[in-house]
Amino acid sequence: AQTVTQSQPEMSVQEAETVTLSCTYDTSESDYYLFWYKQPPSRQMILVIRQEAYKQQNATENRFSVNFQKAAKSFSLKISDSQLGDAAMYFCASTNYGGSQGNLIFGKGTKLSVKP
Amino acid sequence: DSGVTQTPKHLITATGQRVTLRCSPRSGDLSVYWYQQSLDQGLQFLIQYYNGEERAKGNILERFSAQQFPDLHSELNLSSLELGDSALYFCASSAAWGANYGYTFGSGTRLTVV
Repeated sequence: AQTVTQSQPEMSVQEAETVTLSCTYDTSESDYYLFWYKQPPSRQMILVIRQEAYKQQNATENRFSVNFQKAAKSFSLKISDSQLGDAAMYFCASTNYGGSQGNLIFGKGTKLSVKP
Repeated sequence: DSGVTQTPKHLITATGQRVTLRCSPRSGDLSVYWYQQSLDQGLQFLIQYYNGEERAKGNILERFSAQQFPDLHSELNLSSLELGDSALYFCASSAAWGANYGYTFGSGTRLTVV
């Protein structure tokens, strides 16, 4: 079965510094997509960044970037110049296209705290 | 506002009861997905509908059922509720069958079974 693993239940970062959240995944698909979602205390799930597996170039969205290592099946999220508003749960996810599936598989999340 | 509407936002009910959660997808989206988020469990995929048809099933209990109506809104029915069913239930939508561009999530329904 397809799995997504986030090995860091909690992380902490000082405001204005950089933090990296880890994610590994396991898939037998040749074409797939990877995502990071943010869930602030409001509970709303917000898409942070998306990566297409067939693209070598790492995705970037403003202060958020990924380090995508396809061979290692690793997909980490780097947050630069951390802000108080970045405090949230972060979920890594992968598309699940085995059989007729078309959904996302999520990791268990990493809770990020930002210290002023 | 994400464009995905879930009602109600909060629901408190007793064990053994039945409830219905409602979801209206973002305008133009044909796929609806239901997820359950329990404490320390991340998001568990329950079921997917595409344009009125069931397309994929995840870890959905037999006590749970869902459907998508011609106007594309979806309902998740939970019956014979148990304490362990207390969770946040999310609905999400996407334009096409798959999740290549990710989902747009609703704000969730917090279900508490007492």
